[in-house]
Amino acid sequence: EVQLVQSGAEVKKPGESLKISCKGSGYSFTSYWIGWVRQMPGKGLEWMGIIYPGDSDTRYSPSFQGQVTISADKSISTAYLQWSSLKASDTAMYYCASGDSFDYWGQGTLVTVSS
Amino acid sequence: QTVVTQEPSLTVSPGGTVTLTCASSTGAVTSGYYPNWFQQKPGQAPRALIYSTSNKHSWTPARFSGSLLGGKAALTLSGVQPEDEAEYYCLLYYGGAQDVVFGGGTKLTVL
Repeated sequence: EVQLVQSGAEVKKPGESLKISCKGSGYSFTSYWIGWVRQMPGKGLEWMGIIYPGDSDTRYSPSFQGQVTISADKSISTAYLQWSSLKASDTAMYYCASGDSFDYWGQGTLVTVSS
Repeated sequence: QTVVTQEPSLTVSPGGTVTLTCASSTGAVTSGYYPNWFQQKPGQAPRALIYSTSNKHSWTPARFSGSLLGGKAALTLSGVQPEDEAEYYCLLYYGGAQDVVFGGGTKLTVL
């Protein structure tokens, strides 16, 4: 069974750093792109960027370039999304997705940034 | 900046048929944009329904179908069930793996 399991909810202060994770199992982790998607409270889905764990080729949506860093550790079948300095506007649910056509989604990680 | 537009909301009666559309600010949507459709219910992660315009996943109910219609991508639900009440998002690919844009979503109410 294909599964993408994301790390738990986080509560952070503005200016803090954060790295959330997405662990894949039940499929060839290195053979499919993994994408990250943001959903702000009450809003729609936004494509953030994508990584190919096989060679770490990473691409960012222009809206998120320079704002976040996407990485992966293929030895533990895990992709990451990280911030160096969080803002209140980063408060959102973040999803990872993978598969031939992003068939499979993680359960989401809620990130709350508040002073 | 590319904008993908969906109907903000639609209402359909149980057993009825409804078509949701997905338009691109760059012009007509073609199969080369590989339209995808996702369903999201409150408090849940999105679920993939349709890929590459009209292809269904193994879990996609037969009443869902995808197509191109009048220069837009379309998702048609035939014989709507109460459990189809959800938000539906389309996704279009504009070239590279980073050039992916979601539509704003359509809230489908079954009433």
